[in-house]
Amino acid sequence: KAGVTQTPRYLIKTRGQQVTLSCSPISGHRSVSWYQQTPGQGLQFLFEYFSETQRNKGNFPGRFSGRQFSNSRSEMNVSTLELGDSALYLCASSSQPGGADTQYFGPGTRLTVL
Amino acid sequence: GQQLNQSPQSMFIQEGEDVSMNCTSSSIFNTWLWYKQDPGEGPVLLIALYKAGELTSNGRLTAQFGITRKDSFLNISASIPSDVGIYFCAGPSTGNQFYFGTGTSLTVIP
Repeated sequence: KAGVTQTPRYLIKTRGQQVTLSCSPISGHRSVSWYQQTPGQGLQFLFEYFSETQRNKGNFPGRFSGRQFSNSRSEMNVSTLELGDSALYLCASSSQPGGADTQYFGPGTRLTVL
Repeated sequence: GQQLNQSPQSMFIQEGEDVSMNCTSSSIFNTWLWYKQDPGEGPVLLIALYKAGELTSNGRLTAQFGITRKDSFLNISASIPSDVGIYFCAGPSTGNQFYFGTGTSLTVIP
């Protein structure tokens, strides 16, 4: 089985721009979770989607949004980028929602905001 | 949000030495997971534990699910240079969200 894939792997944007990141889960997995990882804050949960519905949301501003398509692929959008949004964005897929099953991570998208 | 406390925060060891790290939580977990992350990559699952008291091995790695269900331990025997990385514990809380430990950075000196 192919693993979790994320595109693009690297992205450079400037403040005020917006960005869309993509995640394709493991085949058959319907849950996709997004995390932000920074050296100072560690892994911070953004949100989780299961069967196209957002099930859970972390403590991030409304500039961070996401969606999931019928094929379970998910996108994450960040609008009005700030310097502090520079981070490694990870998605993880699971067969069950809400932590009921093990999460498998993609390689991440490294976002740099200048 | 809740975080799991991992210790030590970092370790510098000689190749061939054994390594121990642990993770504690203020609340009960029904599953404990251990991941390893290489720089610039996503975490890779090493071991999953599903039952209090469970002891599971994966090659040179051994992990245990604490009987209080509030802690877990990971041991690496006979460390090698490719063991370098950051190790995270993780688990789903009763609030249906995954929480991750603060990470243990391991450096193996050849």
